[in-house]
Amino acid sequence: AQSVTQLGSHVSVSEGALVLLRCNYSSSVPPYLFWYVQYPNQGLQLLLKYTTGATLVKGINGFEAEFKKSETSFHLTKPSAHMSDAAEYFCAVRGNSGNEKLTFGTGTRLTIIP
Amino acid sequence: ETGVTQSPTHLIKTRGQQVTLRCSSQSGHNTVSWYQQALGQGPQFIFQYYREEENGRGNFPPRFSGLQFPNYSSELNVNALELDDSALYLCASSLAPGQGAGEQFFGPGTRLTVL
Repeated sequence: AQSVTQLGSHVSVSEGALVLLRCNYSSSVPPYLFWYVQYPNQGLQLLLKYTTGATLVKGINGFEAEFKKSETSFHLTKPSAHMSDAAEYFCAVRGNSGNEKLTFGTGTRLTIIP
Repeated sequence: ETGVTQSPTHLIKTRGQQVTLRCSSQSGHNTVSWYQQALGQGPQFIFQYYREEENGRGNFPPRFSGLQFPNYSSELNVNALELDDSALYLCASSLAPGQGAGEQFFGPGTRLTVL
């Protein structure tokens, strides 16, 4: 069974500073990994995904993530935080059964300090 | 391209009642998954529908049931509502299992409050 652990339920960074949101996964097969963002009172929006190939993946809004198999990690980064980045971020791993369900972490709330 | 839509936006029910939530999938998608997101938690997989049949189920009791229609839209039904059913219910559409990377596209959700 797959699982995801997101370290840090709340992260605060200053505007213009580096954003680093941590995600570790557990999977018995090569994982497909995703980061989603959720703004208040909205659904989830896909930021980026890792399937196979290049381990550094770039997403929308300047975010990127690096898949590190040896560390079972898929941390999300952004070089310079904007106020509009304040939201809840979820890391997810795709199931390897027929339904490809997503298993999510508990989320990290990102606050941007002006 | 039309995104995933859900109705209603908000719903208030009392314990023991039944509720039906609706979802229209994104254009070109024939698979619908439902998730429950309790306050402060990540979404939890309820079940998935593909070709109008249930294609996998999470750890939810049988009083959670669903349907998928020929136009790929879907319903989530919950009977005998309990207080713990209060949550945001998210619908996600995707390509058929095995096609693409399995990324799912989410609707805005239905906020269910059980009193």
